[in-house]
Amino acid sequence: EPEVTQTPSHQVTQMGQEVILRCVPISNHLYFYWYRQILGQKVEFLVSFYNNEISEKSEIFDDQFSVERPDGSNFTLKIRSTKLEDSAMYFCASSITSGYNEQFFGPGTRLTVL
Amino acid sequence: QKEVEQNSGPLSVPEGAIASLNCTYSDRGSQSFFWYRQYSGKSPELIMSIYSNGDKEDGRFTAQLNKASQYVSLLIRDSQPSDSATYLCAVYNAGGTSYGKLTFGQGTILTVHP
Repeated sequence: EPEVTQTPSHQVTQMGQEVILRCVPISNHLYFYWYRQILGQKVEFLVSFYNNEISEKSEIFDDQFSVERPDGSNFTLKIRSTKLEDSAMYFCASSITSGYNEQFFGPGTRLTVL
Repeated sequence: QKEVEQNSGPLSVPEGAIASLNCTYSDRGSQSFFWYRQYSGKSPELIMSIYSNGDKEDGRFTAQLNKASQYVSLLIRDSQPSDSATYLCAVYNAGGTSYGKLTFGQGTILTVHP
């Protein structure tokens, strides 16, 4: 069964450093998303991406964040200058459509900012 | 602020019993409703989606939707210890300026004891 994959599973970085989190969505899906979950808190939407453009972004997704689909399979989230409060699980998700919008999540990347 | 609220839990049921999980949402324009299961340290796993008022059954799971009351629930029949997890309610409004954003509740922890 096709699934979303993410790398790395765990990333440790120093405050102020740049990190890139990688995702490979399900191959026939057209819509891609990033969410994050701070330990013990809700899953929060960051950004949606379709047709090589950001469709929607949340207040969390400020100028320090960017997304890119560098090739036909990968979807990346870049955090330019990490802060302590960026420590969280980051989940990539994908869906075939935005209508009924069944989103399938990857296993996540645990980001720890020291 | 569009909110999704779940019954606080934790919910503890004996093996073989019915577990009932509830969710209310504030955005009356919401059109799609999802239940995700999240094991500790893992990513959300989609288990049910529902779009129309009424019941939708899939195996031991039944989702119920009442848009007039802005209420969605999940029943798990013949609960098993392997059902022990956090259950997340997620809501999507395809109208307006939303392009894929799922809004999650805080989750209900379910424990099924032998």
